[in-house]
Formats: sequence, C-alpha cells, structure tokens
Amino acid sequence: DVKVTQSSRYLVKRTGEKVFLECVQDMDHENMFWYRQDPGLGLRLIYFSYDVKMKEKGDIPEGYSVSREKKERFSLILESASTNQTSMYLCASSFQGAVQPQHFGDGTRLSIL
Amino acid sequence: AQSVSQHNHHVILSEAASLELGCNYSYGGTVNLFWDVQYPGQHLQLLLKYFSGDPLVKGIKGFEAEFIKSKFSFNLRKPSVQWSDTAEYFCAVNADNAGNMLTFGGGTRLMVKP
Repeated sequence: DVKVTQSSRYLVKRTGEKVFLECVQDMDHENMFWYRQDPGLGLRLIYFSYDVKMKEKGDIPEGYSVSREKKERFSLILESASTNQTSMYLCASSFQGAVQPQHFGDGTRLSIL
Repeated sequence: AQSVSQHNHHVILSEAASLELGCNYSYGGTVNLFWDVQYPGQHLQLLLKYFSGDPLVKGIKGFEAEFIKSKFSFNLRKPSVQWSDTAEYFCAVNADNAGNMLTFGGGTRLMVKP
C-alpha cells in the first residue's frame, strides 16, 4: 500500500515564524503535490514537483515555497507565516503521467496565531 | 485558468433517497474528470473517473456520473444513499493543457440521516 506521511497532524505557530511542513512518500512516485483545503473552496494546489529539484507553481503559490532535494520528500515552507495561512494542508503523490489516483497524506492542520 | 463549480455546499438526505451532486467546469478543451470522496477522518480517495468513451461512468459503491460535454457538466448520482455515504465529495478536472494538475471544486458535504 502506498503511504504518504506528513510529519505533523496538528501544528500551531505564530505570525512571522518560518514554518516547515514535511511530506514523505514510499512508492517512488515522480509527482508530488501540496494543497490547502478550506471550507467551501475545496482543494487548491499550492505547488507541485514532477522530479527532484523541479517545482511548478500551482494556483495559489504566494507566501509559500517548496523544496524537493530527494525523490521521496517534498517540503512546503511558509517563509513568514500569516493568519490567512491557517488551513488544512494536504500532500499527495502520483506516478509520472498519472493524473489520478493521487495518494494523499493525512493532512496537517496548521493554525497561525 | 479552468474553474470547477459545485453548486451544493451541503446536502442532507434520508437513507434510500436518491442523490445528484452537480459539477460544472469552465475549460472548453479536452478534459479528464474525477469525483473524489473524503469520509470523516479519512484520506481523500478516488470514487470514479472519466477519460474517454461512454459518458456514463460507473464507480465504486453504486455511484455513477454522467459527462455532458455540451453542458460542461459531470454530475454524480446514486439511486439510493446509505448512512455510510456521509462524506465530503469533490469534483476535479484535469485539462489537456494542464499536465498532471488537477483543479478541484469547492466540495459538497453530504449528510445521510439514518
């Protein structure tokens, strides 16, 4: 079974902090994705990566950056956290060329105070 | 950029009622279409998908969806819902100019009363 692991289920940070959200997948997937999920807005793509050191902006990249130094790991970085980044963050992965299924992690509920 | 609209944010049904959840998208080219489901406390998972061929697609757990190209729609249906169908349902679209990127709708929260 594919496993996508997000390092934290719940995280509370302060405004202005630098925040790292980590995601690891164990199926050698080329594609990895970071979404945020907000009520009524569904899932919105922040960034995705189709290979090591490659990254592409999604629909809402502002205020975020990403890092993919190893194939299995995709990190989302909030350079200076703001309250409007309070959300549920979901990581997903898939094989190259596969739009779905994307295998999702459990999510990280991030609160910025 | 394409957009995906799910017109019902919350739906409450009694068991055995019929279900139809609307999904419309804005892209005029070729699309791949998906419905995903998130049960309480669980991951998002694929319910069904349309790539080509028969526009009426059968998925798991008795769900089906119909692609109507002229209406830019991909509505999800189930003739008789069960309490275990309580979940949030997301429509998603992959446009042929978007690589592997999916655009999700806002989600519909379905509650089925026992």
